[in-house]
Amino acid sequence: DTGVSQDPRHKITKRGQNVTFRCDPISEHNRLYWYRQTLGQGPEFLTYFQNEAQLEKSRLLSDRFSAERPKGSFSTLEIQRTEQGDSAMYLCASSARTGTGENTEAFFGQGTRLTVV
Amino acid sequence: RKEVEQDPGPFNVPEGATVAFNCTYSNSASQSFFWYRQDCRKEPKLLMSVYSSGNEDGRFTAQLNRASQYISLLIRDSKLSDSATYLCVFRGGFGNEKLTFGTGTRLTIIP
Repeated sequence: DTGVSQDPRHKITKRGQNVTFRCDPISEHNRLYWYRQTLGQGPEFLTYFQNEAQLEKSRLLSDRFSAERPKGSFSTLEIQRTEQGDSAMYLCASSARTGTGENTEAFFGQGTRLTVV
Repeated sequence: RKEVEQDPGPFNVPEGATVAFNCTYSNSASQSFFWYRQDCRKEPKLLMSVYSSGNEDGRFTAQLNRASQYISLLIRDSKLSDSATYLCVFRGGFGNEKLTFGTGTRLTIIP
C-alpha cells in the first residue's frame, strides 16, 4: 500500500499520560500536515512541514503538542499530559509540490482515534 | 469572520434531484480550491479541484467566484452513493500553504 499510513489506528489512554502518533506520508511527498477532527466538525489544522522544516503551527495548539519530521520522511505527533478534551481523530496528510510550484491535492491517512479516559 | 464558512446542513434530498452547496472564504490570497468528500468514520478524499474557469466531472460541477470569494459544488441526478459529508478546502499562496477546511455539509440522498 503506497498511501499515507498512520499508526496506531486507535489509542485509549488515561488522562495525564503522554501519547505519540506516527505518520508515514506517500513516498517523495515533501509536504506533511497534521489535523484534528471531532464529531460534526471539519478537520482543524494543527501544523505542517515542508521536508523537515515545520513551517506553521496553529495558535490553537498548546505547548503540550509537538510534532517532528526529522529526516523529511515520517512524522510524529506527541501530546503530553493528555486531557479529555484531546479526544479526537488525528489525521495526517501529505502532498507534493511540483517543480513549477503547482500545488497538488493532499492525501489523507485513515487517522488515529484518541480516547482519553 | 471565520476563515471558511460552510452551511452544515443537513441536506436531505430525493434521489435524482440536483443539489448545490456554497462555501465562502475570507483570505483573498487563497490560491487553490478543492472539494473533499468524507464518508462516516473515514478519512477525507478529494472529490475535485476547483479551477478559475469552473470545471465539471460527470455529474459534479465546481465553480469559483473570486470577486465574491466563494466556491460552489453542484451535484446533478443525485445517487444514494452521494450521501456523505462534503468539505470545502482552501490553500493560501506562497508562504501560507496550509489547507483550511470548512466544517462540512452533510448530504443524505433519500430513495
